Amino acid sequence: DTAVSQTPKYLVTQMGNDKSIKCEQNLGHDTMYWYKQDSKKFLKIMFSYNNKELIINETVPNRFSPKSPDKAHLNLHINSLELGDSAVYFCASSRGLASSGETQYFGPGTRLLVL
Amino acid sequence: GENVEQHPSTLSVQEGDSAVIKCTYSDSASNYFPWYKQELGKRPQLIIDIRSNVGEKKDQRIAVTLNKTAKHFSLHITETQPEDSAVYFCAASKTGGTSYGKLTFGQGTILTVHP
Repeated sequence: DTAVSQTPKYLVTQMGNDKSIKCEQNLGHDTMYWYKQDSKKFLKIMFSYNNKELIINETVPNRFSPKSPDKAHLNLHINSLELGDSAVYFCASSRGLASSGETQYFGPGTRLLVL
Repeated sequence: GENVEQHPSTLSVQEGDSAVIKCTYSDSASNYFPWYKQELGKRPQLIIDIRSNVGEKKDQRIAVTLNKTAKHFSLHITETQPEDSAVYFCAASKTGGTSYGKLTFGQGTILTVHP
């Protein structure tokens, strides 16, 4: 009964490759997010979708492309991987945006290492 | 955009002591302030949050205070235990407009509780 799940947990790949990370939530939430956590543990938002619509798109290289096939899924595709992309990528979801702050529930993270 | 500063970056206490972590934010329109705990290798998890219409909130050994005038908020942990050892993140967000509840995180505080 995992609330927010991600696959894969670990991803080791060569520079220049293309890879995807998948996220699914079974909480019935409307909003999903992708965060990047770098080696210094800093957490930064990358993207957010609300009901399959992109609503937050931070300054992220266009090699990163999110896709939300339905509101329970948010995938992240990365083209032409670079060494600096090595990080932990967290998916999160929240019930919505309407009220004053909604708790965000995080997935277990995907540890990406680019060699 | 919003900027959140968190101090200290590391905090070491003896079991049973209190621990205080402080954050300041830049955007006076921010109205939601959650705190997340991240254990080693795990996902961030919400431990307490506060909204701008409240000055203080307490949950057992954890309390958060908010000073809107000074734009700072703090996490207080009393009677610390070794299992409190983790990285703690503060965050700030505002609802409405184009922010869509985007969370801006502080840099994190590594708390170590020595038995």
